[in-house]
Amino acid sequence: QVQLQESGPGLLKPSETLSLTCTVSGSSINNYYWSWIRQPPGQGLESIGYIYYSGSTSYNPSLKSRVTISVDTSKNQFSLRLRSVTAADTAVYYCARSPPPLDSNGFDYWGQGILVTVSS
Amino acid sequence: QSVLTQPPSVSGAPGQRVTISCTGSSSNIGAGYAVHWYQQLPGTVPKLLIYGNSNRPSGVPDRFSGSKSGTSASLAITGLQIEDEADYYCQSYDRSLSGSVFGGGTQLTVL
Repeated sequence: QVQLQESGPGLLKPSETLSLTCTVSGSSINNYYWSWIRQPPGQGLESIGYIYYSGSTSYNPSLKSRVTISVDTSKNQFSLRLRSVTAADTAVYYCARSPPPLDSNGFDYWGQGILVTVSS
Repeated sequence: QSVLTQPPSVSGAPGQRVTISCTGSSSNIGAGYAVHWYQQLPGTVPKLLIYGNSNRPSGVPDRFSGSKSGTSASLAITGLQIEDEADYYCQSYDRSLSGSVFGGGTQLTVL
């Protein structure tokens, strides 16, 4: 079955760079959209951005200046980098899959989520 | 503030029917983009409940149904059960933002 697994450090200091990787199993990276979504403690879901297997990306305008999402099809992985983090970036970060077309389909598979805390 | 607007909370007694609304704009729902719904049980990962406005993934009971009209969408839950207590989120695509947007979430309490 399809499984997504986030990995990366769970604790960062302000101004550091958050780097997470999502490893996909049971599904090829090819022909899907791959997203990062976050959820601050006790709050709702926020889309960070997505990447198509071909490498095209789109980012949430509120985060665009600090975000990069990349894909490694050879490893069946995609990654998130968020620069200059602050306490406001503390959240559970999820990776998720969407079948194309993106504007017609939801996120059908999600990772278990990884809590990233930003604290000095 | 979320791009899609949902009521913060709804409640109902076991066996009853509840609906959760999701209001957008001409840039997302009103532009014809599909609405999807997720259920997030306490402490768990969001689960796709409804996709493409009204379609249920395999395994989702037919007590859950979705609809869309104009710039709004609704999730209906009939025969309410205790285990339906969860947060529910709507999601769509926004052409101005060129990406996915979520509602703020609705907490369902089964009295």
